[in-house]
Amino acid sequence: DNQMTQSPSTLSASVGDKVTITCRASQSIGDYLAWYQQKPGKAPKLLIYRASNLDIGVPSRFSGSGSGTEFTLTISGLQPDDFATYYCQQYNSYVTFGPGTKVDMK
Amino acid sequence: QVQLVQSGAEVKKPGASVKVSCKASGYTFSDYYMHWVRQAPGQGLEWMGAINPSGGSATYADNFRGRVIMTSDTSTSTVHLELTSLRSDDTAVFYCAKDFGGVELLLPSDWGQGTLVTVSS
Repeated sequence: DNQMTQSPSTLSASVGDKVTITCRASQSIGDYLAWYQQKPGKAPKLLIYRASNLDIGVPSRFSGSGSGTEFTLTISGLQPDDFATYYCQQYNSYVTFGPGTKVDMK
Repeated sequence: QVQLVQSGAEVKKPGASVKVSCKASGYTFSDYYMHWVRQAPGQGLEWMGAINPSGGSATYADNFRGRVIMTSDTSTSTVHLELTSLRSDDTAVFYCAKDFGGVELLLPSDWGQGTLVTVSS
């Protein structure tokens, strides 16, 4: 089983800030890593796949990087709509989600 | 555009079974796996498994194997999730999600609105 961890679990930030979330896999997953955004009461939304590819319609302030076991999601210039919980997910071997990172208002 | 419409909320007693449906439209149903993901109140996302609507073969996560059955009906473009022997900690929102497809297999991309299942005596 490939376990996923995320840090931090909560992140307090202000509009305009640059925000970085880290995701680690217990075993190498190549670049089979996705990021999702979820707002309360809503379904998750795919942001990034294959570690660094933005899904259609995702703003360019979102970026992803990494390979192997360590990955990052960066939001360059946090917008009011970005306050949400972010999950990483590996799909190298079945599917495993990270525990999530809540980005809230400082 | 892809649309996944799930069945309505359910309330079940412990030990019972529940069946949740997910009707797909806007794409070729049989060409893409469908995933099911559970989210308990205030908790994270938990993958339950995925079904290939073409042929109906399913892969289940270890945590649910033996208690979950995924089926598909290509005539109505609908997938079903049945969870048996319900416990109070099965109370959750259940999501279906269409696979991205192509080389990005096992990547949930488009999600249904979720179905709340409450297990309570």
